[in-house]
Amino acid sequence: NAGVTQTPKFQVLKTGQSMTLQCAQDMNHEYMSWYRQDPGMGLRLIHYSVGAGITDQGEVPNGYNVSRSTTEDFPLRLLSAAPSQTSVYFCASSYRADARSYEQYFGPGTRLTVT
Amino acid sequence: AQKVTQAQTEISVVEKEDVTLDCVYETRDTTYYLFWYKQPPSGELVFLIRRNSFDEQNEISGRYSWNFQKSTSSFNFTITASQVVDSAVYFCALSTGSSNTGKLIFGQGTTLQVKP
Repeated sequence: NAGVTQTPKFQVLKTGQSMTLQCAQDMNHEYMSWYRQDPGMGLRLIHYSVGAGITDQGEVPNGYNVSRSTTEDFPLRLLSAAPSQTSVYFCASSYRADARSYEQYFGPGTRLTVT
Repeated sequence: AQKVTQAQTEISVVEKEDVTLDCVYETRDTTYYLFWYKQPPSGELVFLIRRNSFDEQNEISGRYSWNFQKSTSSFNFTITASQVVDSAVYFCALSTGSSNTGKLIFGQGTTLQVKP
C-alpha cells in the first residue's frame, strides 16, 4: 500500500491564482481530512469527509473548497490564493469504526507559498 | 469548548537526559481519545500513541512513556535517556465522541532539541 499520497510536495502561487492540492489513499478509508500547519499554531482542520459525496467544514474552511467523488480521492481547491494561505497542508485518512479507527494516517504534506 | 494546550514551546536537553512534554486538554465529552504525534525535521507526522478516556493506565514503550491523568486533564509524554534522533516537534491531539469523526484538535506543538 502506498498509504496517503499528496501532490505536489512544493508549490509557489501568486496572489489570485487557483490550484488544487491532490490527496489519495489506497487503504479504503472512509474518513479523510485536510489540515494546515502554521508556526506556533499546530495543525488546524480545514475540511473533512466521512465518505464519498459527504463533506463538512472544519475550523478554518474559508478560502478552500473540497469534494469527494470517490473513496480514494479528496482534493483541496484554492479558488483565489492569498498570502495568508501560505502553509504546510496535510491530508489524513482513517477507518470509520473499528479498533484501529482512531489512528489518523497522514500524508507527507504539501508546502505552499503564496506571494 | 475543546482545546489542547502544550505550554512548552521549545525544550532543549543534552543527550541522555530525561525530558517530559506536557499536554493539557479541555473537553466536556466523557468519551474522547488523546494522541501524540512526532514530526521530525523531514516533516512527516508519525503516530506515537492513542489513549482513550476510559483507560488511565500509564503506558511504556521502550524509552517512551505516557502519563494520563483525568483529574488534571493531562496526558504527558516522557522520553527517558533522550537521543539526538528524538529531536523533533511533538504534537498532542484530542478527538472527542464515542465514535471516530476523523477530526483531531491539535496542540501548538513542542519543539524538542536534543544536543549531543
